[in-house]
Amino acid sequence: AQSVTQLGSHVSVSEGALVLLRCNYSSSVPPYLFWYVQYPNQGLQLLLKYTTGATLVKGINGFEAEFKKSETSFHLTKPSAHMSDAAEYFCAVSRYSSGNTPLVFGKGTRLSVIA
Amino acid sequence: SQTIHQWPATLVQPVGSPLSLECTVEGTSNPNLYWYRQAAGRGLQLLFYSVGIGQISSEVPQNLSASRPQDRQFILSSKKLLLSDSGFYLCACKMGDRGRREQYFGPGTRLTVT
Repeated sequence: AQSVTQLGSHVSVSEGALVLLRCNYSSSVPPYLFWYVQYPNQGLQLLLKYTTGATLVKGINGFEAEFKKSETSFHLTKPSAHMSDAAEYFCAVSRYSSGNTPLVFGKGTRLSVIA
Repeated sequence: SQTIHQWPATLVQPVGSPLSLECTVEGTSNPNLYWYRQAAGRGLQLLFYSVGIGQISSEVPQNLSASRPQDRQFILSSKKLLLSDSGFYLCACKMGDRGRREQYFGPGTRLTVT
């Protein structure tokens, strides 16, 4: 069964600093991996996804993530944090090889950006 | 592209009252549909999902139920609300293409049970 672990429930960075949000997954089959962002009182928005092919995936708002099979990781990065990046971030993995089953989400990491 | 509508946006209900939250999807056919709940300070909890009309899978036994009367309509209900039902309810969909796994989320409904 798939599972996702997000290290750090809260991460704080200074404006302009590197953003690194960590995600490790467990999967018995090749995974599909996702990062979502949630702003207060809003739904989740898809940031980026890894399915197959290139292991470095670029998403919206300047974020990117790298799939590392040997480390079972899919960390989210952004070179320079902006105040508008403050939000909750969720990592997710496709549960089974079937396309019908729901994604498995991590517990989320709250990103704070300090001016 | 798909659009997900949820209503109401906010709701305040007394304990013991019934509940009906509605989710409708535009821009795709035969989607998979999901209901999630976020309690304060906690992550996403999957409540129900549906792969087709009348097909409902329940993830967590509780006093909530779900129905899918039409292809792009998903309803979350309760006969008697509990205080613990308070939270942010999110509807999500996955497009019918089995090769695509990403889910798209609606704007959510904030439910407060008093």
